[in-house]
Amino acid sequence: DAGVTQSPTHLIKTRGQQVTLRCSPKSGHDTVSWYQQALGQGPQFIFQYYEEEERQRGNFPDRFSGHQFPNYSSELNVNALLLGDSALYLCASIKGPGGSEQFFGPGTRLTVL
Amino acid sequence: AQSVAQPEDQVNVAEGNPLTVKCTYSVSGNPYLFWYVQYPNRGLQFLLKYITGDNLVKGSYGFEAEFNKSQTSFHLKKPSALVSDSALYFCAVSPSWGKLQFGAGTQVVVTP
Repeated sequence: DAGVTQSPTHLIKTRGQQVTLRCSPKSGHDTVSWYQQALGQGPQFIFQYYEEEERQRGNFPDRFSGHQFPNYSSELNVNALLLGDSALYLCASIKGPGGSEQFFGPGTRLTVL
Repeated sequence: AQSVAQPEDQVNVAEGNPLTVKCTYSVSGNPYLFWYVQYPNRGLQFLLKYITGDNLVKGSYGFEAEFNKSQTSFHLKKPSALVSDSALYFCAVSPSWGKLQFGAGTQVVVTP
């Protein structure tokens, strides 16, 4: 039973560039949430996708956008990268609606230079 | 707004001694509370959750947590700590389905 997978593992970009991160949920899960974890901090909720629509959004600018595909996998896109976007980006999946336990992937480490 | 607070940045304990990691919450209504653990360069691993029912919740790897409504606390405990328990621990509340709001984390250091 495959858990949550994310790609790539690491990524280095320069300011102003755009990046796409990918996530495949745990088998049987249909909902994906994305989190940003800056160094030394707890993860911050970015947004959640269910039935291919953004259902909830945290306090992140429109530069952060996402997509969910019919197979439940998801992408996180960040435009016009800033130095402050450097973080570990975590994807979590949950079986919904009604599931309570989120399973996290290993994350993508994004470094913006 | 719902939130959790972890008052300790770091907890140091000797192997074999009891381990407690503190968490307090601020929630209107019934809280959905969680504990996760993060090892270096890894994602978060689920330990346990409180939704409703018994105040003492048992989880993975010998961990348990006690929900205390009067003290608005949800402390994580383990009777006998192992060196391998050294990691970063996060308390979280779920203000809505599919969304977790995390505390700042507590680094646990277990010395042999």
